[in-house]
Amino acid sequence: EAQVTQNPRYLITVTGKKLTVTCSQNMNHEYMSWYRQDPGLGLRQIYYSMNVEVTDKGDVPEGYKVSRKEKRNFPLILESPSPNQTSLYFCASRGGDQETQYFGPGTRLLVL
Amino acid sequence: KQEVTQIPAALSVPEGENLVLNCSFTDSAIYNLQWFRQDPGKGLTSLLLIQSSQREQTSGRLNASLDKSSGRSTLYIAASQPGDSATYLCAVRRTTDSWGKLQFGAGTQVVVTP
Repeated sequence: EAQVTQNPRYLITVTGKKLTVTCSQNMNHEYMSWYRQDPGLGLRQIYYSMNVEVTDKGDVPEGYKVSRKEKRNFPLILESPSPNQTSLYFCASRGGDQETQYFGPGTRLLVL
Repeated sequence: KQEVTQIPAALSVPEGENLVLNCSFTDSAIYNLQWFRQDPGKGLTSLLLIQSSQREQTSGRLNASLDKSSGRSTLYIAASQPGDSATYLCAVRRTTDSWGKLQFGAGTQVVVTP
């Protein structure tokens, strides 16, 4: 089954404790992206990657890092999480010349 | 800067009634517009994609129209069912944005009552 998976699905952590949210897709897609969703603000893009070793900032990259060492994986790293990073995070991918993006189920993060 | 607005933020209708969801955007230089459905715990699912050269797209009970000049898109869902209860988001890709970069609205939460 074609899908985008994220782990963990739920995470509670404390300020300053480094964490990584993993994202993996099995569709051989070149393009992957991370979004955060906050009430009343819609989804905002954090980082995206056009292919392996090619990443770029989205609209709200501050406080986040990403890497793309393999085509299927695109982890999101919070080096020193803060409470304002409490949010619902989505990973997405798309391939070739397709315009449709496939989204993962989301990771709900609470930073205390 | 592109701003995407969805009004109303929430909508409740009885089963069988037609749904009309609105999306407006400030920059008419768009490449395409997509409508997504979001279910709790399941991420987003793409419903319809309209290219900038198109006026509408249809899939089953869903029909989406696009009027670039007025900066508006409307999603129609005919004969609503309780299973249509979800949050619906629109997203635009501007012609000046990189491949795959989308600007999302905040969504309209729909409840269809039996």
